[in-house]
Amino acid sequence: AAGVIQSPRHLIKEKRETATLKCYPIPRHDTVYWYQQGPGQDPQFLISFYEKMQSDKGSIPDRFSAQQFSDYHSELNMSSLELGDSALYFCASSPYPTRFYEQYFGPGTRLTVT
Amino acid sequence: SQELEQSPQSLIVQEGKNLTINCTSSKTLYGLYWYKQKYGEGLIFLMMLQKGGEEKSHEKITAKLDEKKQQSSLHITASQPSHAGIYLCGADRKDQGAQKLVFGQGTRLTINP
Repeated sequence: AAGVIQSPRHLIKEKRETATLKCYPIPRHDTVYWYQQGPGQDPQFLISFYEKMQSDKGSIPDRFSAQQFSDYHSELNMSSLELGDSALYFCASSPYPTRFYEQYFGPGTRLTVT
Repeated sequence: SQELEQSPQSLIVQEGKNLTINCTSSKTLYGLYWYKQKYGEGLIFLMMLQKGGEEKSHEKITAKLDEKKQQSSLHITASQPSHAGIYLCGADRKDQGAQKLVFGQGTRLTINP
């Protein structure tokens, strides 16, 4: 069965650089969520999209932005990277916004900021 | 502070033994979800509990919800190496209108052969 695809899997950037993370949801899933998981921490919700519109916003820094495109894939853009942005970034998709707990998570993108 | 507290934070058991992981919420629970995470990988949805006293099983994993205690337990019977990983409980919250999942800090389970 198709799963959530994230790219790249690993990314190394320097401070103040920008990064773009991509997420391809499971086919026919129209809701996408982004999470940030710091080392040894639980995932923190960043932002979600439903039908290409932002639906919920969590603890996403102003330096980050995200969008969902017409093919439902989503991109998380991160600018002015800081050391503290080093984390595992997960994307998840679900078939219905009302069943958001039944999220299917991607493998994550490990971002290292040096 | 952590809304969902899991215990223990790590657990090492011998293959074949039973084990229990607990998740306690500091707020009213309307639903509790369990996920499994392989080290450094994505979360896998295991099961959802919505009603007090509800109990669900998936293969050798059973989860229960005690609404009054605002607590859930995950029990693994006859553990196997494939059960190793990090188990996280999650609950839905509305924060300033945003609906989101909050997670416990996870329980790292190691199975020794």
